[in-house]
Amino acid sequence: AQKVTQAQTEISVVEKEDVTLDCVYETRDTTYYLFWYKQPPSGELVFLIRRNSFDEQNEISGRYSWNFQKSTSSFNFTITASQVVDSAVYFCALSEAGTASKLTFGTGTRLQVTL
Amino acid sequence: DGGITQSPKYLFRKEGQNVTLSCEQNLNHDAMYWYRQDPGQGLRLIYYSQIVNDFQKGDIAEGYSVSREKKESFPLTVTSAQKNPTAFYLCASSVGATSYEQYFGPGTRLTVT
Repeated sequence: AQKVTQAQTEISVVEKEDVTLDCVYETRDTTYYLFWYKQPPSGELVFLIRRNSFDEQNEISGRYSWNFQKSTSSFNFTITASQVVDSAVYFCALSEAGTASKLTFGTGTRLQVTL
Repeated sequence: DGGITQSPKYLFRKEGQNVTLSCEQNLNHDAMYWYRQDPGQGLRLIYYSQIVNDFQKGDIAEGYSVSREKKESFPLTVTSAQKNPTAFYLCASSVGATSYEQYFGPGTRLTVT
């Protein structure tokens, strides 16, 4: 069965610090997809990135970057120069091929960025 | 603007009553999903639908029912059989059912007393 673990329940940083959110996954499939979502206080989940299991290239989007390592089953998310607006709960999720896009979510990491 | 709407934002019901949560999307997406979120937990899948007039149970379907009569709409009914219905309910949709990213609505917070 697939599983996603986000061991960091809560992280607090001061603005402009870099922060990395960890995500470790388990799956028996060779084809799968990994996602990160942001949930601000308003509650709506915002899609950040989708990565398939055959693409291990790191991705950078502005201050956000993602490190996918199949050898360690990890898909970590780094925010560079964090800002107060980054404060949210971040979820990592996994979908196996052929499962109708059913997502298995981790329990989330609450990030608090203060001035 | 394309998106997913859920109404109402907050809903209060007495125990023993059925309640229906609305979810509408104008993204022309084929697949739609309902999730439940409890405090400090991730999202858990209740039901999903890949096409009109077809839906499947997710991981926690007991006490819930859905319908998919139109592509745009996927209402969720929380029945009196659901033992712990108080939660935050999120609806999502995706282009298709092949591991595309899902887009979420703003959610409905249901409180049953």
